[in-house]
Parts: sequence; C-alpha cells; structure tokens
Amino acid sequence: NAGVTQTPKFQVLKTGQSMTLQCAQDMNHEYMSWYRQDPGMGLRLIHYSVGAGITDQGEVPNGYNVSRSTTEDFPLRLLSAAPSQTSVYFCASSYAPMNTEAFFGQGTRLTVV
Amino acid sequence: AQSVSQHNHHVILSEAASLELGCNYSYGGTVNLFWYVQYPGQHLQLLLKYFSGDPLVKGIKGFEAEFIKSKFSFNLRKPSVQWSDTAEYFCAVNFGNEKLTFGTGTRLTIIP
Repeated sequence: NAGVTQTPKFQVLKTGQSMTLQCAQDMNHEYMSWYRQDPGMGLRLIHYSVGAGITDQGEVPNGYNVSRSTTEDFPLRLLSAAPSQTSVYFCASSYAPMNTEAFFGQGTRLTVV
Repeated sequence: AQSVSQHNHHVILSEAASLELGCNYSYGGTVNLFWYVQYPGQHLQLLLKYFSGDPLVKGIKGFEAEFIKSKFSFNLRKPSVQWSDTAEYFCAVNFGNEKLTFGTGTRLTIIP
C-alpha cells in the first residue's frame, strides 16, 4: 500500500498565484485532514473531512479551500497565494480522528515569493 | 480553550542519557493522547498512544509515556537515548471531538 501520497513535494509560487496541493490515500480512511507546519508553532489544522462530501474548518482556514468528492482524495487549494502561506503542508488520514493513528504524507514544502 | 503545551523547545542530550519530554493539556474531560516523531526530512510517525487502561504505555524504539490525569500530563520518556533519536517530537491530543491538536514540538538533539 502507498499510504498517504502528497504531490508536489516542493513548489514555489508568486504572490497572487493559485494552486492545488494533492493528497490521496489508499487505506479507505474516512477522516482526512490538512496541517501546516511552521517553526515554533507545531502543526496547525487547516481543514478536515469526516467523509466524502463533508468538510469543515480547522484552526487556520483562511486562504484555503478543500473539497472531498471521493473517500481517497482531499485536495487543498490556495486561492491567491501570500508570503504568509510559506510553510510545509502535511496531509493525514485515519479511520477516525479520536482514537486511531493518523498516517501522514511526506509533506509539501511551499514557498511564496 | 483546549490546548496542548510542550514547554521544552529544544533539548540537547548526550548518548545514553535519560530523556523526559513534557506534555500538558488543558481540558477536564476524556482525552486520547499521542506522541508523534518526525525524523529529519521525514513525515510524522506514531510513537505511542493512550486511550484508556494502564496509564503507562510503551511504544516503539524503547519509548514510553505516562498519563497522569490529575496533572493533565502525558510525558514521554526513554531510559537511554541514542544518536538516532535525534528528531522533533510532537504531543497530540484529541479532546473528544473531530480534531487532533498538536503541541508546538520539542526538538531533540543527541550528541554522540
């Protein structure tokens, strides 16, 4: 099994550009989430989904959109990139958020110039 | 507000030293507790977890953690660290909702 696959691994954007970070999992997990990791701030939840067709906001949702049309995929869209969105982004999936292990992707390092 | 605190931001130890990393949370209800590790350049991996039962839980690579409900703590320990334990360690808590809240992380550097 591939687990959680994120693409791309690295990306440089200009301010104002839009892009989509892809996340796919092959473990039939209902729960998927996106985090951003910044130095000294740990991982902060951007958006999450408890199943296909259901999404909700996390701690830092502004500037990001998500959708969940299938169980496998959970893309994260940056609408108009800003330098403050320079970060490392991780996608995670689990059977349930409460008491099961979360599996993380390899991360996407995004730089906005 | 529900939060997770890791007060040790950077810990430097020599090989064979004992390790204890602190994790505290603010919430009086039922919680599920996790420690994740991120080795340099890699993604997060689960070290151990606590849901219920024996408050002393053992994880991979010789790590263990103790849940002390009265202190709202879930500290990570290892009796003798190795150079390969150099990594960033994150405590994470589920507060009975649909989210997993992470602490700010502790960077551990082991000196050979």
